[in-house]
Amino acid sequence: DTAVSQTPKYLVTQMGNDKSIKCEQNLGHDTMYWYKQDSKKFLKIMFSYNNKELIINETVPNRFSPKSPDKAHLNLHINSLELGDSAVYFCASNKLAGGQETQYFGPGTRLLVL
Amino acid sequence: GESVGLHLPTLSVQEGDNSIINCAYSNSASDYFIWYKQESGKGPQFIIDIRSNMDKRQGQRVTVLLNKTVKHLSLQIAATQPGDSAVYFCAENNANTGFQKLVFGTGTRLLVSP
Repeated sequence: DTAVSQTPKYLVTQMGNDKSIKCEQNLGHDTMYWYKQDSKKFLKIMFSYNNKELIINETVPNRFSPKSPDKAHLNLHINSLELGDSAVYFCASNKLAGGQETQYFGPGTRLLVL
Repeated sequence: GESVGLHLPTLSVQEGDNSIINCAYSNSASDYFIWYKQESGKGPQFIIDIRSNMDKRQGQRVTVLLNKTVKHLSLQIAATQPGDSAVYFCAENNANTGFQKLVFGTGTRLLVSP
């Protein structure tokens, strides 16, 4: 009955590899987000999708490619992983793209690039 | 530019005390503010929100105060409990964009001693 779920929870990989993180929400929300939280706990938005369309792209390197097959899913594919990509990645969702609707977060994916 | 900051990176209190976590924001166009709680190893969890047309909002044991004159936001937790120990983030929504884009503060760690 998890509202926003992410897989995997942990991901350890070598530099240069390509990996994907998946996110699913069962809240019936229209908008989904990806955030990156660094080692100092700073949380910053990366992407936002509304009804499968990209609406926010925060100057993230193009090695990061989000994909939304339907409005309940938002996946994040990362090519040529670098050491600096090590972080916790959070998915979130809310009902409306604009306005004042609370975002609900997933449990996070802890990515470690060696 | 946009920035949301916190005055105290760590706040230590005794169980039963009241806690106050502060947040300064710089974007006068922000119209929506949220407080999140993040426990170790988990995603941010919604606590309470407030719209810019209000200056106070109360929840269960929590109160958020908004002072738009000095661009200040605070979270008050009454009768703090050990389970309240976590990192607390304020976030603001930039009303100038057509879509919700949350800008998070740097976070304050709350430590509650029994």
